[in-house]
Amino acid sequence: DTAVSQTPKYLVTQMGNDKSIKCEQNLGHDTMYWYKQDSKKFLKIMFSYNNKELIINETVPNRFSPKSPDKAHLNLHINSLELGDSAVYFCASSPGVTAGLNTEAFFGQGTRLTVV
Amino acid sequence: AQSVTQLDSHVSVSEGTPVLLRCNYSSSYSPSLFWYVQHPNKGLQLLLKYTSAATLVKGINGFEAEFKKSETSFHLTKPSAHMSDAAEYFCVVSEVDTGRRALTFGSGTRLQVQP
Repeated sequence: DTAVSQTPKYLVTQMGNDKSIKCEQNLGHDTMYWYKQDSKKFLKIMFSYNNKELIINETVPNRFSPKSPDKAHLNLHINSLELGDSAVYFCASSPGVTAGLNTEAFFGQGTRLTVV
Repeated sequence: AQSVTQLDSHVSVSEGTPVLLRCNYSSSYSPSLFWYVQHPNKGLQLLLKYTSAATLVKGINGFEAEFKKSETSFHLTKPSAHMSDAAEYFCVVSEVDTGRRALTFGSGTRLQVQP
């Protein structure tokens, strides 16, 4: 079983469209994240959720909205897509803070979003 | 606030020679440190992590990293490179800030292995 799975793996869409990327983890983790990886491979955190509560939002445009129906899922909705949104988006999960800082995060395989 | 600096954006070695990927960190508290690897068009895989139990940490695929508090470094090494080691490597620091956990990634080092 895949620990962190995200769909779709590839997404090609036109400017102005609205799209969603889904993420599910079966590890029982309390915290889930969304990261954006740009063309230079730099990874920047977008959001994290701890027990369904948003705890980090790193100056991301409000066109991006995370939605967590339950602890195992954190979906990413993007409205009015722009060319600059083209990137690879990674979902990740980790135990909560009480489990200690030295517990690693587990990453999905990534979703390559191309806006044309 | 925490930060991570990977000193080399690109490292090229010959197969069978040692690998050194450098990482320096800045943290307000005692950090937890990780190295992740990303193979082309793949997700991120944990190589190793520093847990404060030992300063020399062994990971998968023959990689090691040494935590040096006095130098605020956590360099990644491998005695002998293999072609399959060619990938992007990320140094990551984990810290708690106002009750929230934050993972900060370095900018990555691309490792090339020449035959």
